[in-house]
Amino acid sequence: AQKITQTQPGMFVQEKEAVTLDCTYDTSDQSYGLFWYKQPSSGEMIFLIYQGSYDEQNATEGRYSLNFQKARKSANLVISASQLGDSAMYFCAMREDLTGGGNKLTFGTGTQLKVEL
Amino acid sequence: DVKVTQSSRYLVKRTGEKVFLECVQDMDHENMFWYRQDPGLGLRLIYFSYDVKMKEKGDIPEGYSVSREKKERFSLILESASTNQTSMYLCASRPTGRYNYGYTFGSGTRLTVV
Repeated sequence: AQKITQTQPGMFVQEKEAVTLDCTYDTSDQSYGLFWYKQPSSGEMIFLIYQGSYDEQNATEGRYSLNFQKARKSANLVISASQLGDSAMYFCAMREDLTGGGNKLTFGTGTQLKVEL
Repeated sequence: DVKVTQSSRYLVKRTGEKVFLECVQDMDHENMFWYRQDPGLGLRLIYFSYDVKMKEKGDIPEGYSVSREKKERFSLILESASTNQTSMYLCASRPTGRYNYGYTFGSGTRLTVV
């Protein structure tokens, strides 16, 4: 079964600093996708960034980048120039493509990030 | 703007009641999902569906069932609610084949079973 591990339950970062949120995964599939989501205190789930298992370049979206190390099975999220609005819960997730059709997303337990002045 | 709508934001039910949580998407997505979110456990998949009338068990299906009679609607049913089903329930949808497409989530239903 697929498994996502986020070992940092909580993180603090100073405003304007960069922060790395860790994510490791376990799968025997060759084709998979990795996602990061942000969940502010309002509860909505906001899609941030995606990395496909065959993508050779690390994904970037604005201040978000994904440090993808396939051999180590890690997909860390890097947030540059942190802002107070980045304070939220962050989830790493992996998409599994199913042989019978369809797909499903398995989530880690999340990292609570707090940005301080 | 594309949307996944969950019928209730907050719900309080009694133990033993049959509970229906409704989810509707307007994006013509084939795949729909029900998750529950609990502190320290992240999101766990209850059931999913990749086509009308199709349903697949997720990681924690016990005590739940689902219905998908139309493409846009995916219902989660608690046959006999119990206090350990008190949780936040999130519905999501996604199209088939677009691998870099994020799952779109509803705003969640916080269910309390008393």
